[in-house]
Amino acid sequence: DAGITQSPRHKVTETGTPVTLRCHQTENHRYMYWYRQDPGHGLRLIHYSYGVKDTDKGEVSDGYSVSRSKTEDFLLTLESATSSQTSVYFCAISERELETQYFGPGTRLLVL
Amino acid sequence: QQQVKQSPQSLIVQKGGISIINCAYENTAFDYFPWYQQFPGKGPALLIAIRPDVSEKKEGRFTISFNKSAKQFSLHIMDSQPGDSATYFCAASKAGTYKYIFGTGTRLKVLA
Repeated sequence: DAGITQSPRHKVTETGTPVTLRCHQTENHRYMYWYRQDPGHGLRLIHYSYGVKDTDKGEVSDGYSVSRSKTEDFLLTLESATSSQTSVYFCAISERELETQYFGPGTRLLVL
Repeated sequence: QQQVKQSPQSLIVQKGGISIINCAYENTAFDYFPWYQQFPGKGPALLIAIRPDVSEKKEGRFTISFNKSAKQFSLHIMDSQPGDSATYFCAASKAGTYKYIFGTGTRLKVLA
């Protein structure tokens, strides 16, 4: 998985609790992305980062925030988890735009 | 808003047959079209990609055909094998956006 780790790999939480997912890369790539994958929707971009402390929203950003204080780490936070945020979350990295995005192994999140 | 439409949703092919997955896009500014392959429990991985200055790209048994005027591109898997059974995603991107727009995915099953 191209030097990308995600933690935790599985998580069960309750509605209303905050959740933070971590993506860590060892490739020193500039761009990092958070996607969610749901049946019938494919992969949808939540947030992305084009450098340390430089982030922007994707197509499904409501209810999510991100932070990137170091090149290697990109955090995704669900401020108050809802059942609609039950999903598989993937982190991805790329060295340049319009080039290969490398995906991590995913985090399976269940919000009860 | 879905800007990349992928079909079919699922596909069953006999071993040795040809698998064909189609994608259509709306935004004529897209200029990079990758295909990703995802096995169960894994993150997506780049399979093959094409830019609109060519009409076809082949890598082994995998071929992308690109029709710029019709705004369509397709993945052909020749001599399909059971090991090709996976979910396939098309995507599109344009310069300056850093982002991909993914199709909804096609679940391919190759029967032995």
